Amino acid sequence: AQSVTQLGSHVSVSEGALVLLRCNYSSSVPPYLFWYVQYPNQGLQLLLKYTSAATLVKGINGFEAEFKKSETSFHLTKPSAHMSDAAEYFCAVISGTGGYNKLIFGAGTRLAVHP
Amino acid sequence: KAGVTQTPRYLIKTRGQQVTLSCSPISGHRSVSWYQQTPGQGLQFLFEYFSETQRNKGNFPGRFSGRQFSNSRSEMNVSTLELGDSALYLCASSPDGSSGNTIYFGEGSWLTVV
Repeated sequence: AQSVTQLGSHVSVSEGALVLLRCNYSSSVPPYLFWYVQYPNQGLQLLLKYTSAATLVKGINGFEAEFKKSETSFHLTKPSAHMSDAAEYFCAVISGTGGYNKLIFGAGTRLAVHP
Repeated sequence: KAGVTQTPRYLIKTRGQQVTLSCSPISGHRSVSWYQQTPGQGLQFLFEYFSETQRNKGNFPGRFSGRQFSNSRSEMNVSTLELGDSALYLCASSPDGSSGNTIYFGEGSWLTVV
């Protein structure tokens, strides 16, 4: 069965600092991987997705993620944090062959950005 | 292009009642899926519909059900509500049946059971 582990339920950075949110996945087949962001009292917004086209994926708002098969990782980064980046971030994987649109989510990482 | 629309946004129900939540997918999208989000269990998959057929189902009791109409709009129903059903229910849509498609989420319906 596929699964996702997000290391660190809370991450705090200074404005302008590097953001690194960690995600490791478990999958017996080539995965489709996603990062979503959730602002308070809102739904999920897609930041980026990996579908095997390129290992370095660029998303919205300056975020990017690198797929590393050898490390089964898909960490999310942003070179310089902004106050508006404070939110909860979820890594997700499509479940299995024929998983269609069944997303398996990690527990989430809450990002705090302080001045 | 309008996004995924969910109604109602907020509702309060009493234990034992039932509730129906509605979702209108992005125009042209044929796949609709539902998720439950709670502080304790996180985001959990409920079910997915494609062309009016349930294609995937999560590990939830039979009190949770759904359906999809010919225009791709979807509803989910929870019967005999329990306090633990209090959650944010998220609907998501995707263009077709292929894995790897972008999956778009609505703003969610906040259900409180008292």
